[in-house]
Amino acid sequence: GESVGLHLPTLSVQEGDNSIINCAYSNSASDYFIWYKQESGKGPQFIIDIRSNMDKRQGQRVTVLLNKTVKHLSLQIAATQPGDSAVYFCAENRVGGGSNYKLTFGKGTLLTVNP
Amino acid sequence: DTGVSQDPRHKITKRGQNVTFRCDPISEHNRLYWYRQTLGQGPEFLTYFQNEAQLEKSRLLSDRFSAERPKGSFSTLEIQRTEQGDSAMYLCASSLRDRGGGYTFGSGTRLTVV
Repeated sequence: GESVGLHLPTLSVQEGDNSIINCAYSNSASDYFIWYKQESGKGPQFIIDIRSNMDKRQGQRVTVLLNKTVKHLSLQIAATQPGDSAVYFCAENRVGGGSNYKLTFGKGTLLTVNP
Repeated sequence: DTGVSQDPRHKITKRGQNVTFRCDPISEHNRLYWYRQTLGQGPEFLTYFQNEAQLEKSRLLSDRFSAERPKGSFSTLEIQRTEQGDSAMYLCASSLRDRGGGYTFGSGTRLTVV
């Protein structure tokens, strides 16, 4: 079936280290991917996105890598800070074809940053 | 505009009662979405509006659920005859037509059915 999943449900890192959160997707038609951060009691917050015609995109302290060959997505957070502690979701979207409005989310990875 | 607003933030209701949630999207966004999120899971798509037209409803949305966006601005989600399985966080999001998937989510309404 079509789904987006995550390799690890939890990740614990030391403050200042780099974090890598992984995501696998199975829908080869997906052409747009988004990472969201969700803090307790809040809605998902957009972090960074990437289209399938790219394999890397960088933002402020974050980098998303896309490997279409193995259908794998990762989020790298540089110099992780306590404020980065949250649940991180990857989501996929297929732009065009009448379904570009629907996001499919994975289960999420809980990132804990230890001081 | 401070983002997507949802009201109430929390709702506790007895099984069998009806509840209604409201979402005010970002004013210039013409697309509005409802998602449901249970503990430990990612949000699941429920329904989508483009302006006032409801263009899709998920199979998750039983006949007890109804959503409206009467003037293409705010939206309401009503659940009739609530069941314990309806307990979840109900998230609203909005976007511009050509934004792809980078929606702006509200903080959600947490529903507890007792």
